[in-house]
Amino acid sequence: GAGVSQSPSNKVTEKGKDVELRCDPISGHTALYWYRQSLGQGLEFLIYFQGNSAPDKSGLPSDRFSAERTGGSVSTLTIQRTQQEDSAVYLCASSLNGAFFGQGTRLTVV
Amino acid sequence: SQQGEEDPQALSIQEGENATMNCSYKTSINNLQWYRQNSGRGLVHLILIRSNEREKHSGRLRVTLDTSKKSSSLLITASRAADTASYFCATAAADSSYKLIFGSGTRLLVRP
Repeated sequence: GAGVSQSPSNKVTEKGKDVELRCDPISGHTALYWYRQSLGQGLEFLIYFQGNSAPDKSGLPSDRFSAERTGGSVSTLTIQRTQQEDSAVYLCASSLNGAFFGQGTRLTVV
Repeated sequence: SQQGEEDPQALSIQEGENATMNCSYKTSINNLQWYRQNSGRGLVHLILIRSNEREKHSGRLRVTLDTSKKSSSLLITASRAADTASYFCATAAADSSYKLIFGSGTRLLVRP
């Protein structure tokens, strides 16, 4: 597709379970970002991939969060042992000159 | 912590009026970008201004950048009800990482 695709669009999970969120960036975009947005709040930076460089993981809130980007394209964000405070919309963006965002995954931890 | 901070947090204006939103940031930047988010999740890139630029226009949008004050403003002229959204500024750091950090946003309501 032409835009950034994220899946699933919605995910409800039980506290303590692991979840995996997927992002398909725009082809050719070397930069990929993950952000988290709680209701009515701004975007919280999580992690940034740029080409083959080591990712900037400085925004990951705890060691339960991890992300990888395979082959410089698709990225997955994994949250282990989910907690209720992890509930948020997780947004992925890819960039060449200005970021293009996916529609996000709304994660609800019950 | 967030790099950019927008003010006001919320703005309500009448259709046809101009809307001005401000953004301040803390560290040296490569560029500053403005985004719009309608209710729901999608963010749309509006405009990018580089650190060596002072003003940029795109349609009814005018963005200024003052690197000495570490601030930017977004002006929407002749506002329309469809401009109702949240507006975020985002800064790309001046180092080679180009990490994009967002502010907390301004919620704009344009009353018809």
